[in-house]
Amino acid sequence: AQRVTQPEKLLSVFKGAPVELKCNYSYSGSPELFWYVQYSRQRLQLLLRHISRESIKGFTADLNKGETSFHLKKPFAQEEDSAMYYCALSGISGSRLTFGEGTQLTVNP
Amino acid sequence: DTEVTQTPKHLVMGMTNKKSLKCEQHMGHRAMYWYKQKAKKPPELMFVYSYEKLSINESVPSRFSPECPNSSLLNLHLHALQPEDSALYLCASSHHVRTPNTGELFFGEGSRLTVL
Repeated sequence: AQRVTQPEKLLSVFKGAPVELKCNYSYSGSPELFWYVQYSRQRLQLLLRHISRESIKGFTADLNKGETSFHLKKPFAQEEDSAMYYCALSGISGSRLTFGEGTQLTVNP
Repeated sequence: DTEVTQTPKHLVMGMTNKKSLKCEQHMGHRAMYWYKQKAKKPPELMFVYSYEKLSINESVPSRFSPECPNSSLLNLHLHALQPEDSALYLCASSHHVRTPNTGELFFGEGSRLTVL
């Protein structure tokens, strides 16, 4: 079975502060990990995925297989980063994308 | 066209009505999905179509009936729904269910369904 845990439902930071959204996973094989973001009144969209090892909108995430984590980080949060963030896991079959419960990030001015 | 389009955006129906939700994509994706999303909750997978064939049904009640007429279209037929079925129904597509990076789903804006 595959499982994704996001321990924080709500996270509030001030503009310019660092932000880290936590994600832990459980999967017996080689997982593919993703972060999806849902801005207010917009569609759910892919933010980044671990195999790309890229930075999108200043966000990065590193897959730590030892700790089974895929935390999302940004050194300086912006107000426009306020959104719901979902960590997601896809197994080898690819077809089942399992989402975590999500973290609502609010960046205050 | 790099979007998934869903219609209608809003739907109100009674428990005895029959209605359909529609989804369309023209990105050449061969996998299409229906998800159900309740407020402040993650999307829950309902159905997966791969090459126009139903490949996954997550034990969804038969009052929800999916249909994939062709590679660009996906429908969800609704009949005898319950008030607890009220939710945002999301359609998504991806290149293929079994190629790398299949976790990249392209979502529509959703159809907000209210069952009275």
